Amino acid sequence: GDSVTQMEGPVTLSEEAFLTINCTYTATGYPSLFWYVQYPGEGLQLLLKATKADDKGSNKGFEATYRKETTSFHLEKGSVQVSDSAVYFCALSDRSSARQLTFGSGTQLTVLP
Amino acid sequence: DADVTQTPRNRITKTGKRIMLECSQTKGHDRMYWYRQDPGLGLRLIYYSFDVKDINKGEISDGYSVSRQAQAKFSLSLESAIPNQTALYFCATGPGGGLGLGEQFFGPGTRLTVL
Repeated sequence: GDSVTQMEGPVTLSEEAFLTINCTYTATGYPSLFWYVQYPGEGLQLLLKATKADDKGSNKGFEATYRKETTSFHLEKGSVQVSDSAVYFCALSDRSSARQLTFGSGTQLTVLP
Repeated sequence: DADVTQTPRNRITKTGKRIMLECSQTKGHDRMYWYRQDPGLGLRLIYYSFDVKDINKGEISDGYSVSRQAQAKFSLSLESAIPNQTALYFCATGPGGGLGLGEQFFGPGTRLTVL
């Protein structure tokens, strides 16, 4: 079945540092890929998405590129802020009629001032 | 107002009790989902529904049941709660058909503790 493997956390960075959170996937066919973010005490919010190979999703300074050859969708940000502290989830959606989301285990990011 | 709402937001109950978690949405989506979140395990799918007459089991449906009362309402029940059902529960919605490419929209969550 489909699966998503994320870099284990927690990750602690200083403000303005460069962020990478690794995500790789296993799926049949060509899934859509997502990054969701969960701020403390809140539900998950869609951060960015990509629906086909070589697509780059971007939002709020975060970027991720759909790499079919390496089955990866790594999340990057050039300069993190304290307000980016949250849990980040990589997820994929199959293209069957079910459109189920399969999530990675999440990566806790803490940004220190 | 929030597009996806969940009630209650927090609940403490005892082993053996029946409990219902409710979810409402104003996004007009056909599809609704229930997940549970446990530390280090991400989110796991409990049940999902494509419309009022269509209910499907997810990865971890044992011990749970659901009811889709209307397009906008999807409730999750624990018939006899047990301590390992202590978790954070999320409802989500998504467009059906060829729309959205799998994107889902989440409620704020219900923190359930079973003593």
